[in-house]
Parts: sequence; structure tokens; C-alpha cells
Amino acid sequence: TQLLEQSPQFLSIQEGENLTVYCNSSSVFSSLQWYRQEPGEGPVLLVTVVTGGEVKKLKRLTFQFGDARKDSSLHITAAQPGDTGLYLCAGDRRAGNMLTFGGGTRLMVKP
Amino acid sequence: AAGVIQSPRHLIKEKRETATLKCYPIPRHDTVYWYQQGPGQDPQFLISFYEKMQSDKGSIPDRFSAQQFSDYHSELNMSSLELGDSALYFCASSLGRLRDTQYFGPGTRLTVL
Repeated sequence: TQLLEQSPQFLSIQEGENLTVYCNSSSVFSSLQWYRQEPGEGPVLLVTVVTGGEVKKLKRLTFQFGDARKDSSLHITAAQPGDTGLYLCAGDRRAGNMLTFGGGTRLMVKP
Repeated sequence: AAGVIQSPRHLIKEKRETATLKCYPIPRHDTVYWYQQGPGQDPQFLISFYEKMQSDKGSIPDRFSAQQFSDYHSELNMSSLELGDSALYFCASSLGRLRDTQYFGPGTRLTVL
């Protein structure tokens, strides 16, 4: 079983719609990072959340870390075609440790 | 801002050959991580180094070895290559073992024929 479960795996929406991606675990994480990855390229960091209950905003993207530091969500408001891509959540059980990835959500935003 | 540099970006090898992948971390970063990503898969952790010492070990085959040098760059050595080793290999770096954020390089695509 995967330590970190990401859902949905695939999401296809129309431009202007809102969406939420979830990253869940039964384990506590020291921190959780969200990345976006283009085909054949390295994951590009979007945000790191460290404190339980933390909310961070990056333009139309809102990231939240659960109070118990076991889950996280990424909410995109008014999605645009440029948001299309693979979104990865990744957590580490202790700082400086290896990252465990959540399986990814492949998002497609249609114009 | 400087990012993680990996070389080569693409590598084609025959079965049973050896390959060496190089990673140059972000300046001042002292921790390096190696990940392997197969087609349609998540990156899987292989091994990490902090201050030139092995820090953590993941699912790295015995045929692979790695080290971090005095200038903090790292090399992943892969021997007796198998078809299943074909994948994207990413290096990531962070500042200090107690810092949470890992920054990834662009990856090396290894194809074993």
C-alpha cells in the first residue's frame, strides 16, 4: 500500500472551473511539498507546507496542510489551460529525509 | 537563480554496460538525493548524501553506487545495466539535513538497449 495517496488520479475540466486535489496518509509528515512536473522534466516546486493547519496561496493556487499533518490539499480557482500538467504531492517523515510521492494527479484544462 | 544541474540529459547504453550520471546541486546546498522515475511512475528514492556521507538508502540496486565529492557534486554509477534500468533519473538538493524543501534537477533520461 502506498504511504501517500493522491486523488483524483486524472481530472479533466473546462477553463474557469475550480478544482481540488487531495493528498492523504495515515502517517504524520514533517513537511509536505507540492510539485508540478512536465513530461520528461524534473518536478518543479510549487510550495512547502510545514505547520499543521498552514494555508499558503500562490496566485490562484491554495495549499493547505491538515491540522494533524497527515493530509494536504491543493485548490485551483478559475483553472486555465496553462494549469494543465502533472501535480505531485510528496512528504518526508522527517526533515532531510527521502520524499515519498503520492501518485500524482494529471490535470487537463480545456479551453 | 541557479538550479540543480544534471549531466548528461540523455544517455543510451547497451545491456551490461556501465553509466555514470552527474549532479551539481544548487550552490551552498550540502544534501543531494537521487530518485528513479519509470514511465508513468512516481519518482522512487534511491540514495542521499549529506556533507559527503551517505545519509539514507532506498531502493537502490547493489549494481548501483553513488558518492558525494568535496565540492558537493554527486555521481551515480550504474553497472551491469539491465533493460529495466531505463528511466528518468533525478537529482535533488536541499540546504542542510534539517531543511525540508528539495529542489529537483531536469533529470537524465537513461535508455538501455
